[in-house]
Amino acid sequence: SQQGEEDPQALSIQEGENATMNCSYKTSINNLQWYRQNSGRGLVHLILIRSNEREKHSGRLRVTLDTSKKSSSLLITASRAADTASYFCATALGDSSYKLIFGSGTRLLVRP
Amino acid sequence: AAGVIQSPRHLIKEKRETATLKCYPIPRHDTVYWYQQGPGQDPQFLISFYEKMQSDKGSIPDRFSAQQFSDYHSELNMSSLELGDSALYFCASSPWDLRETQYFGPGTRLLVL
Repeated sequence: SQQGEEDPQALSIQEGENATMNCSYKTSINNLQWYRQNSGRGLVHLILIRSNEREKHSGRLRVTLDTSKKSSSLLITASRAADTASYFCATALGDSSYKLIFGSGTRLLVRP
Repeated sequence: AAGVIQSPRHLIKEKRETATLKCYPIPRHDTVYWYQQGPGQDPQFLISFYEKMQSDKGSIPDRFSAQQFSDYHSELNMSSLELGDSALYFCASSPWDLRETQYFGPGTRLLVL
């Protein structure tokens, strides 16, 4: 990937468990975002965390950002079968266009 | 709420043919981004436009060109198609002054045979 790597590449958990995905990136960023993609479909924006923030919550999602380690994590609590999807982190470098550089994604399977 | 519209949703072409993908941004969004996602790959930034001017350029092949029109819709023109161009092509839009967050369309799935 151009900017980041995600781990694990694939994750299988039981419904109700928590899922944690990690993302690492290479350059200084303005913000980091997480997107969800159901199989072969569109990208849905989940949450954005700015470089001066350390943690952010949105419903069952919790995102952390460690700029010293150039890493972020996405925690989905109390997972549901409907959470089954691929999850991508994407960084915006803060250049004029704010183009997104995506990580390689984590495929999450939540077993009912 | 209105979302980004992309057309066509699916497209099948032969090698060396041309293709045109269209993107209609969310109303009042003046910035458009194009991304390409190959099978099993992460999305890669191709090009972006703001107020009909190219604002940034990524890994877009010379065989591809794009433009944004006065109504802010954008078209991605692809010529001399190759097998490796088979991918999902996403368009995203945002208002320039709130471009931290991009709103993605459903994508156009292009298959080159």
